[in-house]
Amino acid sequence: SAVISQKPSRDICQRGTSLTIQCQVDSQVTMMFWYRQQPGQSLTLIATANQGSEATYESGFVIDKFPISRPNLTFSTLTVSNMSPEDSSIYLCSVEGGADTQYFGPGTRLTVL
Amino acid sequence: GENVEQHPSTLSVQEGDSAVIKCTYSDSASNYFPWYKQELGKRPQLIIDIRSNVGEKKDQRIAVTLNKTAKHFSLHITETQPEDSAVYFCAALGGNEKLTFGTGTRLTIIP
Repeated sequence: SAVISQKPSRDICQRGTSLTIQCQVDSQVTMMFWYRQQPGQSLTLIATANQGSEATYESGFVIDKFPISRPNLTFSTLTVSNMSPEDSSIYLCSVEGGADTQYFGPGTRLTVL
Repeated sequence: GENVEQHPSTLSVQEGDSAVIKCTYSDSASNYFPWYKQELGKRPQLIIDIRSNVGEKKDQRIAVTLNKTAKHFSLHITETQPEDSAVYFCAALGGNEKLTFGTGTRLTIIP
């Protein structure tokens, strides 16, 4: 399976600021996804990052709050904008591994004070 | 959209015994059902999956069964070991081509 890295691995941010999370894959992949995992909870899909077009957002998530870039087939970024303590979560990217499989990056643990 | 329910939320078993985690789904168009294991502070790892044209799949000590008619699938771990302790998530790939996850089961293996 692909090797997936995320930066930063963790961060502590102040309310009202923004953080951009990077996801890098060591091979070209068609589908990349961003998930949120709140403390002790399950995984919730934020959006699908489409190469060459706008991301597709799930209900409850909007582009102004979570802008996503996908400049090529190996890289994507997720920005968490105008953060509040409720945004404290683990943010995970995942990639399609073929035949419907998905593999996750190591995650970014975000704490908002 | 798809809705996935998972039970139990916590499960403790003696080392060497078997563990069973059950999930139900709502979207009859769902055709792919993966299971992920997440150790504390780590990423979810795909451990086994099953497609709708198969009733059972086994990989060493873990197996997954699927009942498409009843819309439920289960994870079975036999001869449990301490390293099996983790949170397990089931998921279903719905007709919208997106994974919906269950709420997770925290499995504790008691030595």
